[in-house]
Amino acid sequence: GENVEQHPSTLSVQEGDSAVIKCTYSDSASNYFPWYKQELGKGPQLIIDIRSNVGEKKDQRIAVTLNKTAKHFSLHITETQPEDSAVYFCAVTGGGTSYGKLTFGQGTILTVHP
Amino acid sequence: NAGVMQNPRHLVRRRGQEARLRCSPMKGHSHVYWYRQLPEEGLKFMVYLQKENIIDESGMPKERFSAEFPKEGPSILRIQQVVRGDSAAYFCASTRGDTAEAFFGQGTRLTVV
Repeated sequence: GENVEQHPSTLSVQEGDSAVIKCTYSDSASNYFPWYKQELGKGPQLIIDIRSNVGEKKDQRIAVTLNKTAKHFSLHITETQPEDSAVYFCAVTGGGTSYGKLTFGQGTILTVHP
Repeated sequence: NAGVMQNPRHLVRRRGQEARLRCSPMKGHSHVYWYRQLPEEGLKFMVYLQKENIIDESGMPKERFSAEFPKEGPSILRIQQVVRGDSAAYFCASTRGDTAEAFFGQGTRLTVV
């Protein structure tokens, strides 16, 4: 089955710095790559996603890049703020009618220091 | 504009009891997915359901666990004869089916004592 590796497991940055989280996946048939943010005691919140026919997508301070050849994708957060502190998960799916069947990475604990 | 609704938010059960977790998908969504999150781990897929059908239960333990999504009412994840290892956060997600975005509920935190 699909295997997703996420790095780093923890990331500590100063407010205003950039943060980058990387994921690699194993199944070349995967074609949808969402990122979720999970705050303590809450459910995962979809923050950005990318499909396999696109190399990069940006939404304000967050962006995602995808390299299908190398089978890795990354989340970039610029101008980080303390409220960005949370656990971030990458996920992968093969799509079709089972888009919600996601394989998640292990998560990255991001801490933004004021 | 309610999102995915899960209840209860917290559930405490003694070993051997049954746990019932409920999930109502977002309005307009007909596909439901259940995930389990163990402490300090990622989410693991358990089961995928559409109305009155189990589509994929490859991630669900063969014994004690069952799921349903009836024609009327919420989806139910049922755990019989709970053991301490069942303690986890259980999340439900829903999609429209023809689009990619999966939206998650706030989860049910099950504690087995």
